[in-house]
Amino acid sequence: SQQGEEDPQALSIQEGENATMNCSYKTSINNLQWYRQNSGRGLVHLILIRSNEREKHSGRLRVTLDTSKKSSSLLITASRAADTASYFCATDPPNTGKLIFGQGTTLQVKP
Amino acid sequence: ETGVTQTPRHLVMGMTNKKSLKCEQHLGHNAMYWYKQSAKKPLELMFVYNFKEQTENNSVPSRFSPECPNSSHLFLHLHTLQPEDSALYLCASSQDSAGGRSQYFGPGTRLLVL
Repeated sequence: SQQGEEDPQALSIQEGENATMNCSYKTSINNLQWYRQNSGRGLVHLILIRSNEREKHSGRLRVTLDTSKKSSSLLITASRAADTASYFCATDPPNTGKLIFGQGTTLQVKP
Repeated sequence: ETGVTQTPRHLVMGMTNKKSLKCEQHLGHNAMYWYKQSAKKPLELMFVYNFKEQTENNSVPSRFSPECPNSSHLFLHLHTLQPEDSALYLCASSQDSAGGRSQYFGPGTRLLVL
């Protein structure tokens, strides 16, 4: 079974609106990361939040982590057409040395 | 540019061909990874190399053969592939393979097996 599952699978919004994507996972983690992937390209690391952190900001990105609920959210504020991409969460379960990726949320931002 | 390059970007091959994918990282990292990304499936980790040593083989069929001659270069040798192997193959690198490192991805090789 997947470690990380994103919700929703697809999201379509207008430029200027905020976009929220959620990630749920099953096991304990050391940290959780969010990545972006433009169509047919490689993944780009966006932000890493450690298990002892609750919230982190990077520019227009805000990530929260609730380890009691085993969930994380990624908020993109004031979205732009260039934010159109797929967004993946990746978890780092202890003692695995692996990143486990979810299936991703496909975000479309309409100009 | 993430500092990780992959060649070729696109590859079409028959089931009897032999080809190789190349990955190079210019970040001074010591760990390199191969992932397979198929439509509607999560990213699948295939192989991990840490300081040139293979530390993970995620039950990958032997028709995929990795090679890591040094910490900056990673190859994936392909032979007698199947159509279901058609996918985007992504290379990544990180400082080392300790848990929780951020990974830097190349643009991928889009492979089509006929």
